[in-house]
Amino acid sequence: EIVMTQSPATLSVSPGERATLSCRASQSVSNNLAWYQQKPGQVPRLLIYGASTRATGIPARLSGSGTGTEFTLTISSLQSEDFAVYYCQQYNDWPSITFGQGTRLEIK
Amino acid sequence: EVQLVESGGGLVQPGRSLRLSCAASGFTFDDYAMHWVRQAPEKGLEWVSGISWNSIDYADSVKGRFTISRDNARKSLYLQMNSLRAEDTALYYCAKGGILRGVIDDWGQGTLVTVSS
Repeated sequence: EIVMTQSPATLSVSPGERATLSCRASQSVSNNLAWYQQKPGQVPRLLIYGASTRATGIPARLSGSGTGTEFTLTISSLQSEDFAVYYCQQYNDWPSITFGQGTRLEIK
Repeated sequence: EVQLVESGGGLVQPGRSLRLSCAASGFTFDDYAMHWVRQAPEKGLEWVSGISWNSIDYADSVKGRFTISRDNARKSLYLQMNSLRAEDTALYYCAKGGILRGVIDDWGQGTLVTVSS
């Protein structure tokens, strides 16, 4: 089973600043990596797939990068609606998929 | 509009069984992989199981105890959960795979399973 490790567990950033979230895979997942956002009381929402392709309706201030085992989600100029928990997920090992443990992005 | 409606959750004693269902609408059910994903209280997301037209897999934590199935005619997804443990307590989401089968692009609201004596 591929293990996904996210860092940091909690990230405190001020509105308007940039946030950088990391995700590492225990073995290469090529670019088969997705990012999700979950707000309290809500279901997760797909943000990024293919490591860098934004899902429908996702603003350009969110961007994904990386390949192999190292991935990054960058949110430039944080807005109030961006404060949430973010999960990375690999699907290279389909039909087995795994999520990271999440990064909580909070207001500084 | 895609709709996924889970049912079948509840309070169950350790060692007992429970069957979850998910009714799907708003898309061609046969064409997409489907998943069960769970989230324990105040914890992260954990993939439980996935099924496509030709493949099935399970998380190690449930392998041998849970069985996923689908009825394309009824546009329904199921999860048979046997030998339940306290650590299976979670909100169970039915989730739809996208064009890329392992990418989840729609989620139900979840059904809560509580395993306790």
